Amino acid sequence: SAVISQKPSRDICQRGTSLTIQCQVDSQVTMMFWYRQQPGQSLTLIATANQGSEATYESGFVIDKFPISRPNLTFSTLTVSNMSPEDSSIYLCSVDRGLEAFFGQGTRLTVV
Amino acid sequence: DAKTTQPPSMDCAEGRAANLPCNHSTISGNEYVYWYRQIHSQGPQYIIHGLKNNETNEMASLIITEDRKSSTLILPHATLRDTAVHYCIVRVERAGNNRKLIWGLGTSLAVNP
Repeated sequence: SAVISQKPSRDICQRGTSLTIQCQVDSQVTMMFWYRQQPGQSLTLIATANQGSEATYESGFVIDKFPISRPNLTFSTLTVSNMSPEDSSIYLCSVDRGLEAFFGQGTRLTVV
Repeated sequence: DAKTTQPPSMDCAEGRAANLPCNHSTISGNEYVYWYRQIHSQGPQYIIHGLKNNETNEMASLIITEDRKSSTLILPHATLRDTAVHYCIVRVERAGNNRKLIWGLGTSLAVNP
């Protein structure tokens, strides 16, 4: 298994501000994945973060809005920039161990 | 990308088998079917996965049809702790040893005492 720690677990933010979410994994991994789960919805992949290279973003997500850092093989951050109420979601970090994906507990973001 | 279709909700009596169906009619030959569950306010938890053959582990069984266009997750003896949203997912392999999980909308399973 993989142990994934996300910080913060929840936050309430003012519109127009930015929030950086941290994801720490208990062992080195090549790829880290960031997801968004809007209220009552399923998970949508935002981007894939590889250490030492630019993150790869999915259709509908852009780097200016969701900048990602991947400074080493156990850590990544996702920033939600210039937030609006539509950004209120749960944001989840995920890694693979073999063919199994493991998830953090998520960051519940509310934008007011 | 292959997509999955699931019933939005199901009920099951505690101790009985829960059979959760999933349609994935556009799945490609090398794409795995995964099942995860999510209890409210927690991260998704892995249940089981398969490619062609039926699979069983300590949590569940996965029955995949011969044409691979649908599958059924079987929880043999449902407990109250199985009350959760159960997601049927297709894993798509991409260039650069990357992959993408395509999530369905999930089935909200309610296990009743």
